[in-house]
Amino acid sequence: KQEVTQIPAALSVPEGENLVLNCSFTDSAIYNLQWFRQDPGKGLTSLLLIQSSQREQTSGRLNASLDKSSGRSTLYIAASQPGDSATYLCAGYSGYALNFGKGTSLLVTP
Amino acid sequence: EAQVTQNPRYLITVTGKKLTVTCSQNMNHEYMSWYRQDPGLGLRQIYYSMNVEVTDKGDVPEGYKVSRKEKRNFPLILESPSPNQTSLYFCASSGIYEQYFGPGTRLTVT
Repeated sequence: KQEVTQIPAALSVPEGENLVLNCSFTDSAIYNLQWFRQDPGKGLTSLLLIQSSQREQTSGRLNASLDKSSGRSTLYIAASQPGDSATYLCAGYSGYALNFGKGTSLLVTP
Repeated sequence: EAQVTQNPRYLITVTGKKLTVTCSQNMNHEYMSWYRQDPGLGLRQIYYSMNVEVTDKGDVPEGYKVSRKEKRNFPLILESPSPNQTSLYFCASSGIYEQYFGPGTRLTVT
């Protein structure tokens, strides 16, 4: 079974900083990888999907990379804002099944 | 608009009283699944369905049932809910590349 680990579990940064969230997975045969955002008690918002044949995806201030050989993905957030405060979840696909990490709780302070 | 809907969004019930959480998608997806999310444990898959009349257990199926009589619907059934099933539940349907999640159902069993 694909195991997905996210480090750090929690992160607090001042507004304006660039930051990197890390995700590692055990099975290099991972299909696709997806990053989600979740606000407290709310649903999952898909941020970026990196398909198996791709190495990175960008959306606005977000950039996600995928290195299957090393079993790692990173989510880069540029010029962080208080509105970015949320939990960020990484999930790897094994076929149709999604295996989630436990998330990184991000707090961006004004 | 492509979407996954769940009902109810919030539910408080008592131990042993049967309940059903409905899930519907309008994207003609074949694959659908249910997850539960608990603090410290992350998101875990309960059941999934590859197509109509084809369902299988995920990682935490105990105490749950599902049915898939139509492609668009995938209800989650708790025949005798217990307090340890208090959780946040998500339904998802999957296209070729990614899964789409419903808004979540917060269930409390007293």
